[in-house]
Amino acid sequence: EVQLVESGGGLVQPGRSLRLSCAASGLTFDDYAMNWVRQAPGKGLEWVSGITWNSGNEAYADSVKGRFSISRDNAKNSLYLQMNSLRAEDTALYYCAKGMYQQLEPRDAFDIWGQGTKVTVSS
Amino acid sequence: SYELTQPPSVSVSPGQTASITCSGDKLGNKYTCWYQQKPGQSPVLVIYQDTKRPSGIPERFSGSNSGNTATLTISGTQAMDEADFYCQAWDSSTVVFGGGTKLTVL
Repeated sequence: EVQLVESGGGLVQPGRSLRLSCAASGLTFDDYAMNWVRQAPGKGLEWVSGITWNSGNEAYADSVKGRFSISRDNAKNSLYLQMNSLRAEDTALYYCAKGMYQQLEPRDAFDIWGQGTKVTVSS
Repeated sequence: SYELTQPPSVSVSPGQTASITCSGDKLGNKYTCWYQQKPGQSPVLVIYQDTKRPSGIPERFSGSNSGNTATLTISGTQAMDEADFYCQAWDSSTVVFGGGTKLTVL
């Protein structure tokens, strides 16, 4: 069974940092691009960042550019999101989502999602 | 920045056809996909590349995309289809989601 399991969420003060992880199993992890998508309480989906299969290319939403950094370790079947300078508006459930191709490309969609890890930014 | 617009809500009677639209500038020139999200659950991909259904998605789900509008159609809607639906497309190497549509089956 293909599974994505996020971890690392929690309560953090504004301006501080947090690192999220996503552990993949049941798939050939390094065959696919991976993404982070978040959902604020009671709100819709917002794409955060994506990374190609070999870490050759990364992309970020304008709302997090310069503050967040995506990475992956294919040897560990893991995806990461380093979140710095956190703001109250970053409060959300963060999902790890698998792409269907190796690259970040216009035909891609997210066919496997984790259960999410909750991040709360508050003093 | 690119925007995708969905109606906040759509209602349908059981057994009838539900249509959920997603509008964006020249959206027909892009690939659109659709996700279903039930309360307390993670999103599920139901349509990708405008018209394709992933394995395990019922045939009553179908999609189209032309001009400025993509449409998700659910034929013979069932009570279990009640959920939030999100469209998604790529623009300039970033991903854009629509605001979501709450489908009510009543």
